[in-house]
Amino acid sequence: SYELTQPPSVSVSPGQTARITCSGDALPKKYAYWYQQKSGQAPVLVIYEDSKRPSGIPERFSGSSSGTMATLIISGAQVEDEADFYCYSTDTSGNHVFGTGTKVTVL
Amino acid sequence: QVQLQQSGPGLVKPSQSLSLTCAISGDSVSSNNAAWNWIRQSPSRGLEWLGRTYYRSKWYNDYALSVKSRITINPDTSKNQFSLQLNSVTPEDTAVYYCARDSGSYPLGDWGQGTLVTVSS
Repeated sequence: SYELTQPPSVSVSPGQTARITCSGDALPKKYAYWYQQKSGQAPVLVIYEDSKRPSGIPERFSGSSSGTMATLIISGAQVEDEADFYCYSTDTSGNHVFGTGTKVTVL
Repeated sequence: QVQLQQSGPGLVKPSQSLSLTCAISGDSVSSNNAAWNWIRQSPSRGLEWLGRTYYRSKWYNDYALSVKSRITINPDTSKNQFSLQLNSVTPEDTAVYYCARDSGSYPLGDWGQGTLVTVSS
């Protein structure tokens, strides 16, 4: 079955840049989407179609994709950005898959 | 603004069926621009997309391969809601279940509040 692989954890100091990667064989052909999930809450879409930001999402969140890897970037991370982050995409057969998840710590 | 309100039991016995409902306000389950999903989350399986229903002149369903033999997602146009039924549950189906809306370029852009379902005798 298709897998999207993320690092389990990323740590960043306040004001610095955090990069979270998502690796998947179908990513050269399929968009990646990114979700932020804070403790006890439902996930929230922060990046769609690799690099677009929904309205209301801070500009410090950005995304890129190259080859088999998509990347979520948090520029100038804030303490309130601490959360779990998940990528999401489909494989070439249309199966919908979430990444393994990355815990971002800001300290 | 779309709101999704979930309802259903929090405890199900092994081998029985899990049933949840997601009531929609601010959109229509019959919208030609939306799709209606169920997702679950557990410590062992992480976030797992289960399936969706959507209307494009007729009704369609897509299901995850992992549950395809056990799952049904149905729209209810009279109540503007959709439902999840998962049959023959085991303790491995214990999870927080979410409903969510796809709209345009925003997949899973709106979520319900989540329902913890425990499978136990």
